[in-house]
Amino acid sequence: EVQLVESGGGLVQPGGSVRLSCATSGFTFTHFYMTWIRQAPGKGLEWVGHVRQDGGNQHYSDSVRGRFTISRDNAMNSLFLQMNSLMADDTAMYYCVRDSGFFRFEYWGHGIPVTVSS
Amino acid sequence: SALTQPASVSGSPGQSIAISCTGSTSDIGKYQYVSWYQQHPGKVPRLLLYEVSNRPSGISSRFSGSKSGNTASLTISGLQTEDEADYYCTAFGSSPIFGGGTKVTVL
Repeated sequence: EVQLVESGGGLVQPGGSVRLSCATSGFTFTHFYMTWIRQAPGKGLEWVGHVRQDGGNQHYSDSVRGRFTISRDNAMNSLFLQMNSLMADDTAMYYCVRDSGFFRFEYWGHGIPVTVSS
Repeated sequence: SALTQPASVSGSPGQSIAISCTGSTSDIGKYQYVSWYQQHPGKVPRLLLYEVSNRPSGISSRFSGSKSGNTASLTISGLQTEDEADYYCTAFGSSPIFGGGTKVTVL
């Protein structure tokens, strides 16, 4: 059974940083792009970015580029999202998602909330 | 920019409804990478269709997809009460983009 479990969220002050983790199991982690998608309260879905199978290439949305960094540890089957210079607009539920190919977001974690507020 | 979806669509049980998703020649009009997701309140989104019209294992055949020009569509046939949810389209352009979501109400 494919499982993705996020951790690390919580309340962060504006300008602060937080690192999200996603522990995965039930599939060959190194075969897939991994993605972060977020959803602000009461709003729609927003693609944050993704990382290639070998971790060597990442792409980001315009709204987070330069502030967020996606990485992975293939030995630990884990995905990470380092979030810096956080703003109120970054308040959202953050989902760890497996891309099963060509932006087919097939498996989702349960999500982890991040709230940016003073 | 985001893909355009109607804010809401409604129908009676047993009816068919369609949800449109309009993009541009740079995304929906150019690539076959259109996916649809269903999200019930407080739940995790679920993949319904990928590459315009393909259903993952376990998804009912009542859900079907199509594309014409810059617009993709999700059709739900034989509408059921459990279909009441939010629906999102996504497409690939320079990067993946989502539609704003459509709330489906079963009357």
